[in-house]
Amino acid sequence: ELKVEQNPLFLSMQEGKNYTIYCNYSTTSDRLYWYRQDPGKSLESLFVLLSNGAVKQEGRLMASLDTKARLSTLHITAAVHDLSATYFCAVERLEYGNKLVFGAGTILRVKS
Amino acid sequence: DGGITQSPKYLFRKEGQNVTLSCEQNLNHDAMYWYRQDPGQGLRLIYYSQIVNDFQKGDIAEGYSVSREKKESFPLTVTSAQKNPTAFYLCASSPGLAGVSETQYFGPGTRLLVL
Repeated sequence: ELKVEQNPLFLSMQEGKNYTIYCNYSTTSDRLYWYRQDPGKSLESLFVLLSNGAVKQEGRLMASLDTKARLSTLHITAAVHDLSATYFCAVERLEYGNKLVFGAGTILRVKS
Repeated sequence: DGGITQSPKYLFRKEGQNVTLSCEQNLNHDAMYWYRQDPGQGLRLIYYSQIVNDFQKGDIAEGYSVSREKKESFPLTVTSAQKNPTAFYLCASSPGLAGVSETQYFGPGTRLLVL
């Protein structure tokens, strides 16, 4: 059974600081996704990571994938208040028809 | 505008009642999904469909039913057998092309509450 663990589950940080969210998964995966969710809202796609060593960046967020370690990271650089949200990683196994298994999510609060 | 719509935004269910949540997409996607989200938790897959007239159970299908009679529509019925239906329900779709990165795009969600 594929399991996905995120840590930390809650992160409170000051504006301007850097931090990393970790996503570990239990078995070989084909693809890894990062999503953002604002309170009471739907999920917004941030990144898709397709291969070992993949790195993608958008603004202050950078995601990377190490398939050998079964680990993805979401790095936040110089956090701003607008980044406050819940961040989910999700892992896909093609053999299961594009089914995604989600982590529990990391609640990020950026304080001014 | 292309996208996924869900209705209603809020739904109240009386005990013993079946209720149906609507999900429509105009993205021409083949695959559609239903997830349930409980407070402070990740999403769990209820049902998914890769083509019209076909669907499979996800991890928590008990107490739910779906149909896929049209490519653009994937309604979810929460039956009276689902004893704890209060949750946020999210519908998603993806292109469904084998071997292609298939980001799932999510609708705005329906919040179901039990009276």
